Amino acid sequence: QVTLRESGPALVKPTQTLTLTCSFSGFSLSTSRMCVGWIRQPPGKALEWLALIDWDDDTYYSTSLRTRLTISRGTSKNEVVLAVTNMDPVDTATYYCARTTNGRFPFDLWGRGTLVTVSS
Amino acid sequence: VLTQSPSASASLGASVKLTCTLSSGHSIYAIAWHQHQPEKGPLYLMKVNSDGSHTKGDGIPDRFSGSSSGTERYLIISSLQSEDEAEYYCQTWSTDIVVFGGGTKLTVL
Repeated sequence: QVTLRESGPALVKPTQTLTLTCSFSGFSLSTSRMCVGWIRQPPGKALEWLALIDWDDDTYYSTSLRTRLTISRGTSKNEVVLAVTNMDPVDTATYYCARTTNGRFPFDLWGRGTLVTVSS
Repeated sequence: VLTQSPSASASLGASVKLTCTLSSGHSIYAIAWHQHQPEKGPLYLMKVNSDGSHTKGDGIPDRFSGSSSGTERYLIISSLQSEDEAEYYCQTWSTDIVVFGGGTKLTVL
């Protein structure tokens, strides 16, 4: 069964770095044309793409957030990690990871998401 | 790059056509449609190509289909059911970035 699951802290303080892990099963990120990406949705707002890593370890970032984001493979071969520096209350959102199987578009399977609140 | 109407509504059992408009210069781009229900992860519905052909995700009912015209990409849902009430997002890939539309909130009356 192919699944993705996001994990990380539910609450972070302003200025802290958020680290989220996407744990997946049923596929390998090393398979040609496979990618994993991160997307978030602030309360009441639209989906916003953040970052993507592909089968060749090439990385892609949102233009507006690229200076604060780092996407990488995790210590386990079935993990992708997203780090977001200098968190702010406006970064409060549900964070999703998702997979592509045919290049960098489209996302064809999503995780359930994890809510991250930024508050002191 | 992608524009969607904020809301749409249609009656139970009827059909509805949602539109995702690509900006000029992107008329050959394919887009994907995702359904997002509250408290769930988004669900990939289909990829719609510029020629109107579409490829659906696993298990997506035949009630869901796609088409294209110029810079517009459509999601057509027929025989609307209450569970179709959701936010629908289009997505594309352009110059090394992923782009989402602003979403359309579909209400089933």
